[in-house]
Amino acid sequence: DSGVTQTPKHLITATGQRVTLRCSPRSGDLSVYWYQQSLDQGLQFLIHYYNGEERAKGNILERFSAQQFPDLHSELNLSSLELGDSALYFCASGRRTGEGETQYFGPGTRLLVL
Amino acid sequence: AQSVTQLGSHVSVSEGALVLLRCNYSSSVPPYLFWYVQYPNQGLQLLLKYTSAATLVKGINGFEAEFKKSETSFHLTKPSAHMSDAAEYFCAVSDRGNQGGKLIFGQGTELSVKP
Repeated sequence: DSGVTQTPKHLITATGQRVTLRCSPRSGDLSVYWYQQSLDQGLQFLIHYYNGEERAKGNILERFSAQQFPDLHSELNLSSLELGDSALYFCASGRRTGEGETQYFGPGTRLLVL
Repeated sequence: AQSVTQLGSHVSVSEGALVLLRCNYSSSVPPYLFWYVQYPNQGLQLLLKYTSAATLVKGINGFEAEFKKSETSFHLTKPSAHMSDAAEYFCAVSDRGNQGGKLIFGQGTELSVKP
């Protein structure tokens, strides 16, 4: 158990719909990263938040958005869903130490768009 | 820009045999390197990490990896494979070295272990 929680575990929805994925980082971790894992693209970075502020964006579609709340949990919002958005979405939390930053991953949310 | 290449998308070994999973990296900053394992229908679990303290890094479940700067490699090994090692393995490099940042992953290597 990494200490990172994600809900829901599975999500089945229809094209055009909107969903929200939730992530709670490990206690004390200020960083939350979101990644998408698909068969054709592999593991791709989406977005990074640090202590409530957006720090970096990757290949995140305009239909996707995220935020990190004062209690440090984060939500990834996916709207106008398309079939190709079906994937496994992971969040990871990290804490910077003298050895750099290590990311610990949650169990993921498996999204199926029908 | 940082990148990772994993040689071999599938590796099959017999139980008790040596496991060798290959990873080569490219990094414009001193690299921070990681190996993660993903069991079926699960998240990524950290196996080990290289943070410049020692070139031979020991991880969980008997795995270790050696950082070789001259070869830009960070191969993962285990002397004796167990059936329970069957999983997908990902090598990753931190985008900003010791300053953290996103992880850039290789395409993954699926390890099969034959009885």
